[in-house]
Amino acid sequence: AQKITQTQPGMFVQEKEAVTLDCTYDTSDQSYGLFWYKQPSSGEMIFLIYQGSYDEQNATEGRYSLNFQKARKSANLVISASQLGDSAMYFCAMRERQNNDMRFGAGTRLTVKP
Amino acid sequence: DSGVTQTPKHLITATGQRVTLRCSPRSGDLSVYWYQQSLDQGLQFLIQYYNGEERAKGNILERFSAQQFPDLHSELNLSSLELGDSALYFCASSASGTALYNEQFFGPGTRLTVL
Repeated sequence: AQKITQTQPGMFVQEKEAVTLDCTYDTSDQSYGLFWYKQPSSGEMIFLIYQGSYDEQNATEGRYSLNFQKARKSANLVISASQLGDSAMYFCAMRERQNNDMRFGAGTRLTVKP
Repeated sequence: DSGVTQTPKHLITATGQRVTLRCSPRSGDLSVYWYQQSLDQGLQFLIQYYNGEERAKGNILERFSAQQFPDLHSELNLSSLELGDSALYFCASSASGTALYNEQFFGPGTRLTVL
């Protein structure tokens, strides 16, 4: 069964505006971690932000914030003040305590327009 | 630069052949992870080693095997290659083996093309 769902194959945003990339997940584990990675066209995977299932505050890292809604099992990435360099694939991932592996979503391709 | 190195960067081979991909983790990291990224399957976790021992197994085919050596570098062996094995293979490393907050640093990947 698909554990991580990213429903937006592609998104467009105007430079300097904010954008939200959706991610929903499925788990019966009470203890898990949620991650967002960025993959530019050059191919490398860049870690952006992490949210633990027991964290009460939404995670923030610079222009990135994670809108964590535990009851809805969603972990949306919000990028504020988009820059042209933000154009990339974005992957949501989950690591469960019981499984110890990392499951990735299909990704969302974000294009920032000048 | 994540500090994780992978060699070779590109590999072109024929069906039925065997190849070895190599990964050196960041200095001090004990865990190594292998991932396969293909157009049809997306990014899939293959296997994790922690300090020389297998820690977690994902969607790794029986034709594939991996190991982590005492110096912590890891190799992924792919045998009896098929066209569908063409993909980008990532190695990642982390300091911990089981901590949930386990930031993984990815290498640049090895692009494997099977003809």
